Amino acid sequence: DIVMTQSPLSLPVTPGEPASISCRSSQSLLHSDGYISLDWYLQKPGQSPHLLIYSGSNRASGVPDRFSGSGSGTDFTLKISRVEAEDVGVYYCMQGLQTPYTFGQGTKLEIK
Amino acid sequence: QVQLVESGGGVVQPGRSLRLSCAASGFTFNNYGMHWVRQAPGKGLEWVALIWYDGSNKYYADSVRGRFTISRDNSKNTLYLQMSSLRGEDTAVYSCARYSATYHALDLWGQGTMVTVSS
Repeated sequence: DIVMTQSPLSLPVTPGEPASISCRSSQSLLHSDGYISLDWYLQKPGQSPHLLIYSGSNRASGVPDRFSGSGSGTDFTLKISRVEAEDVGVYYCMQGLQTPYTFGQGTKLEIK
Repeated sequence: QVQLVESGGGVVQPGRSLRLSCAASGFTFNNYGMHWVRQAPGKGLEWVALIWYDGSNKYYADSVRGRFTISRDNSKNTLYLQMSSLRGEDTAVYSCARYSATYHALDLWGQGTMVTVSS
């Protein structure tokens, strides 16, 4: 199974400041079709997760441009350029390269 | 309205069975692969199972293989998860999610249904 490792697991951030979350996979997530099989999801308090970033760096529909994803191979990063209060929740990376799909442990972002 | 609505959760004794349903609406259900993902209380997300758009292929997490069965009825726009030989560690919120072949991601999630396995 592909192991996904996120850091940090807890991320207190002052509004307006940037934030960064790392996700590492135990093997390359480059799909044979040429895309990166790594997605980011946000689970806001009391809600189901929703898609933020797909294929490593593409924002999903309706996602503010303060969110960006980058990375290749086994190292990936989610960045928030200026954190807002509505960004609180738990962020998960997930690989869909092979079954079983696997998630990172989650990074809980809170506002200072 | 594009949505997924789960049902069928509840309290069940260890060793018993339960069937979850996920009703899809607002999109062409038989064009999408579908997944089940669960979240134990206070824990992270765990992928459970996947079924292709036409039901031809199914995949499972090791933790549920042989006990859970994913299926779908495209005529009813409904996804199912038949759970048997339930254990305490199966206690979780179970959510269905739509897989987008365009985005290669889970682009639509239901709100989840709670399953509690307890005597």
